Amino acid sequence: DQQVKQNSPSLSVQEGRISILNCDYTNSMFDYFLWYKKYPAEGPTFLISISSIKDKNEDGRFTVFLNKSAKHLSLHIVPSQPGDSAVYFCAARDNDMRFGAGTRLTVKP
Amino acid sequence: NAGVTQTPKFRVLKTGQSMTLLCAQDMNHEYMYWYRQDPGMGLRLIHYSVGEGTTAKGEVPDGYNVSRLKKQNFLLGLESAAPSQTSVYFCASRLSSYEQYFGPGTRLTVT
Repeated sequence: DQQVKQNSPSLSVQEGRISILNCDYTNSMFDYFLWYKKYPAEGPTFLISISSIKDKNEDGRFTVFLNKSAKHLSLHIVPSQPGDSAVYFCAARDNDMRFGAGTRLTVKP
Repeated sequence: NAGVTQTPKFRVLKTGQSMTLLCAQDMNHEYMYWYRQDPGMGLRLIHYSVGEGTTAKGEVPDGYNVSRLKKQNFLLGLESAAPSQTSVYFCASRLSSYEQYFGPGTRLTVT
């Protein structure tokens, strides 16, 4: 029973355009959400986070939006760069951290 | 400052063999975690520790044991490996914030 779902296994965008990665969750007790980025043969690295009391958090080219009523989280990357090509994991916290299955983003030059 | 390191990077085991994966962190973090990553499943928590001498079960603990004898080390043991334990294993640590720092992973194949 996956409580955090990333329904798109892959996404391809053109350099300079916006990348939108989506995440849905089922547990209303989650109080904190994070996005991690993972390159091949490396561990995930923290990218950006948001508390459940907020609906938006921005850090440079990365913005995370939280829609609690829809139990939906999204990560916007604008403008997308080839170096952003990686697997992105959505994660949510209650007592433990729950991770989605990941979305592979490819940014084409 | 090496962050989180994992040993070994790769390992092939035969069914029934045992092994220990070592995780070390030099950031003085209290919390440490072991995850496994399988295709289409994301990262699933195996065991975790909230401090030296303490361990607790995560989402998928069966077939694994852990020990945290020193604050900087967190060991994951497989007593009798099974093909279902073929996976990539990640160790992570954190201080007080929710952000976890991950090691580079150990790719384990059980034949």
